[in-house]
Amino acid sequence: DGGITQSPKYLFRKEGQNVTLSCEQNLNHDAMYWYRQDPGQGLRLIYYSQIVNDFQKGDIAEGYSVSREKKESFPLTVTSAQKNPTAFYLCASSIGPGSNQPQHFGDGTRLSIL
Amino acid sequence: GENVEQHPSTLSVQEGDSAVIKCTYSDSASNYFPWYKQELGKRPQLIIDIRSNVGEKKDQRIAVTLNKTAKHFSLHITETQPEDSAVYFCAASKLSGKSTFGDGTTLTVKP
Repeated sequence: DGGITQSPKYLFRKEGQNVTLSCEQNLNHDAMYWYRQDPGQGLRLIYYSQIVNDFQKGDIAEGYSVSREKKESFPLTVTSAQKNPTAFYLCASSIGPGSNQPQHFGDGTRLSIL
Repeated sequence: GENVEQHPSTLSVQEGDSAVIKCTYSDSASNYFPWYKQELGKRPQLIIDIRSNVGEKKDQRIAVTLNKTAKHFSLHITETQPEDSAVYFCAASKLSGKSTFGDGTTLTVKP
């Protein structure tokens, strides 16, 4: 399903550089999420946003930042403070809190260090 | 916070056999339990879910059971096929929308 678009598919970061991962959805969902997936591990929540102009830290927010200026967009910045950024990053959205609906995922961005 | 444990981490079955994956959660405030299937290099996709007011749900070859008292829920796949091979994740979610995922089970169905 093309409801959530993540870009780029692959991204390389140099030492000391900030990089931004894009996530756009056209599902009219209120809630959006960012997860990090490492090999052999589950999805760990970085940040989530229940509504425009509001977001909360997840379980592993250190070294990351987000913004939610538009309903359809939830970009994630991996800052130079994140010392081990190599991972697969997944963005997701759902109708909104209080509705107990499943999350819809994008195809992911694979980030590597140069 | 919520803690979700998933077992086993790997599971290998013969085609046609059944597969069972189990998850436990710690926070009684969790009230929605989805299961996702992730094929190699692809996005996780919902295969079945259950809410806390239901004990069992079935969809063709897939079923999920929930025991709220014991705080555990299980995924059952019957008559497994090679295309069922993937990583399966359970999750526990609250009304806030925040979900906690298990570490995943790699299922291999041998033809």
